[in-house]
Amino acid sequence: DAKTTQPNSMESNEEEPVHLPCNHSTISGTDYIHWYRQLPSQGPEYVIHGLTSNVNNRMASLAIAEDRKSSTLILHRATLRDAAVYYCILNRNAGNMLTFGGGTRLMVKP
Amino acid sequence: DADVTQTPRNRITKTGKRIMLECSQTKGHDRMYWYRQDPGLGLRLIYYSFDVKDINKGEISDGYSVSRQAQAKFSLSLESAIPNQTALYFCATSSGQRNQPQHFGDGTRLSIL
Repeated sequence: DAKTTQPNSMESNEEEPVHLPCNHSTISGTDYIHWYRQLPSQGPEYVIHGLTSNVNNRMASLAIAEDRKSSTLILHRATLRDAAVYYCILNRNAGNMLTFGGGTRLMVKP
Repeated sequence: DADVTQTPRNRITKTGKRIMLECSQTKGHDRMYWYRQDPGLGLRLIYYSFDVKDINKGEISDGYSVSRQAQAKFSLSLESAIPNQTALYFCATSSGQRNQPQHFGDGTRLSIL
């Protein structure tokens, strides 16, 4: 299975941008890059996904490297509510099957 | 009301007991999943179902069974619970279309003494 590598934890200040990196050097051509986040005491929540082009939605932006071996989730203005574990996951062949790694725990300081 | 509802939210039970966790959804999705999460780790897939009466094993199915008798319901059973099955359990759903996100319930915290 294609794996992703993320830092264990990151810190940010409130109202500043946050860039969460993810490496996926064994990604295949049909794998989509998905991001989920898990707030304390809740189930994971879908954030964004992409294949090759950068993507934007109301929650975040996803920047994908040209060779697709890495990507970055961008929160444009972190709030305290954004403190969560963020998971970068490869959706194999767009088949909706997800394999979770350890994720990045984002801490947001007031 | 939540789109994906798990019951119970918390359960404490003893070794050897049979336990059933229930998941129901109002999203009209065909696909349903059961995951387990241990402290500090990501989720691991136990079983999944793509349609009524369709059952597929995930990464860690030993010691668990599931039932999908209706589109909206997917239940997870532990026939004879053991302490190392103490964990947080999540149910999720997705549509059958390609590359659609999964939608998760708020989890069941299960403790086996």
